[in-house]
Amino acid sequence: GQQLNQSPQSMFIQEGEDVSMNCTSSSIFNTWLWYKQEPGEGPVLLIALYKAGELTSNGRLTAQFGITRKDSFLNISASIPSDVGIYFCAGRGRGGNTPLVFGKGTRLSVIA
Amino acid sequence: DGGITQSPKYLFRKEGQNVTLSCEQNLNHDAMYWYRQDPGQGLRLIYYSQIVNDFQKGDIAEGYSVSREKKESFPLTVTSAQKNPTAFYLCASSRDRGDSQHFGDGTRLS
Repeated sequence: GQQLNQSPQSMFIQEGEDVSMNCTSSSIFNTWLWYKQEPGEGPVLLIALYKAGELTSNGRLTAQFGITRKDSFLNISASIPSDVGIYFCAGRGRGGNTPLVFGKGTRLSVIA
Repeated sequence: DGGITQSPKYLFRKEGQNVTLSCEQNLNHDAMYWYRQDPGQGLRLIYYSQIVNDFQKGDIAEGYSVSREKKESFPLTVTSAQKNPTAFYLCASSRDRGDSQHFGDGTRLS
């Protein structure tokens, strides 16, 4: 089945630093989604990407749909303590009934 | 407010017991999903339903059962056949199978 490799697994950064994480897939995806999960809560959708090469921002967050259709990147600029959480990528391959596949997450810790 | 409600927040299961996790949504979404989350494992799909009275097995359906008698409800039963049930269970819904998913706040089962 389809697999997603998300990296890094965890990050410790200083407040104010920029953050970058990425996901790669073993096959072509038509949709990339980025979610954030805080402790004890469900994931919340941050950004959705539907076209190869698409670059979309949501505040300090920017995500890109790779032109090969096999990768996606999420950048966070000027990190703040409330950015702490687990960030998940998710993707969907061709076909309307293809299931959503999740990466294993990147755990972000911000040191004030 | 529209959203997905999971209950209970915490649940303890005795060995040999079946337990049922509730998931209700008032978003008028057709599709609903159950995921299991273990540390370092990401989200793994247990069951999903695209429409009332229909559901499909996901990647790790063994030891679980579901029903979809109403559009807004998709309860998950963890049966005694599931030997390692301790995990965080997340319910999600979407307008259709191809749309982005909205998640509940989860149930932690021990």
